[in-house]
Amino acid sequence: QKEVEQNSGPLSVPEGAIASLNCTYSDRGSQSFFWYRQYSGKSPELIMFIYSNGDKEDGRFTAQLNKASQYVSLLIRDSQPSDSATYLCAVRPNNNDMRFGAGTRLTVKP
Amino acid sequence: DTAVSQTPKYLVTQMGNDKSIKCEQNLGHDTMYWYKQDSKKFLKIMFSYNNKELIINETVPNRFSPKSPDKAHLNLHINSLELGDSAVYFCASSQVNWNTEAFFGQGTRLTVV
Repeated sequence: QKEVEQNSGPLSVPEGAIASLNCTYSDRGSQSFFWYRQYSGKSPELIMFIYSNGDKEDGRFTAQLNKASQYVSLLIRDSQPSDSATYLCAVRPNNNDMRFGAGTRLTVKP
Repeated sequence: DTAVSQTPKYLVTQMGNDKSIKCEQNLGHDTMYWYKQDSKKFLKIMFSYNNKELIINETVPNRFSPKSPDKAHLNLHINSLELGDSAVYFCASSQVNWNTEAFFGQGTRLTVV
């Protein structure tokens, strides 16, 4: 079983719609969860992190965490073409480790 | 100032050669990582170091040898390069606290021909 699993994608949404990205993880001891965005040919950059159950909002982005279900999600409201990228879910099982999912490729069509 | 810098950005080499990738961070972080990203974008951890000490070695062939001369530097040496080693290699660093993010270098695209 993979440590971090994401929708394989690709995911395509029209401009202005809500994009929903999902992630599950296997290590119940994991305490912090991250969403990175990676444009083609670039390095991953952090969008949000979350470590408490519930929702965390930052502008158009909302991260949701359910530790009982070992589930993390990212919602992007009012999606823009500039949001088109690969979204990577990451988990920190301990202080010196960070594990990534395979990424979901999002395309926002004008 | 670049927070995490790695060199070179591109590396094209023949099978069987030995090559190195260098990484330096000026963030004062204790933990550094090497990741390999294949053509399907999967970012797989290879190694992590904490203050020069190897913490994670993820079933990586022993042709790959990381070296950390100090906590700000983590280099990756690869012996006897194979076609399957072609990928983008990312260096990253983080504070040791579990609730902090990792910062990435710009990546090194390695092509073995």
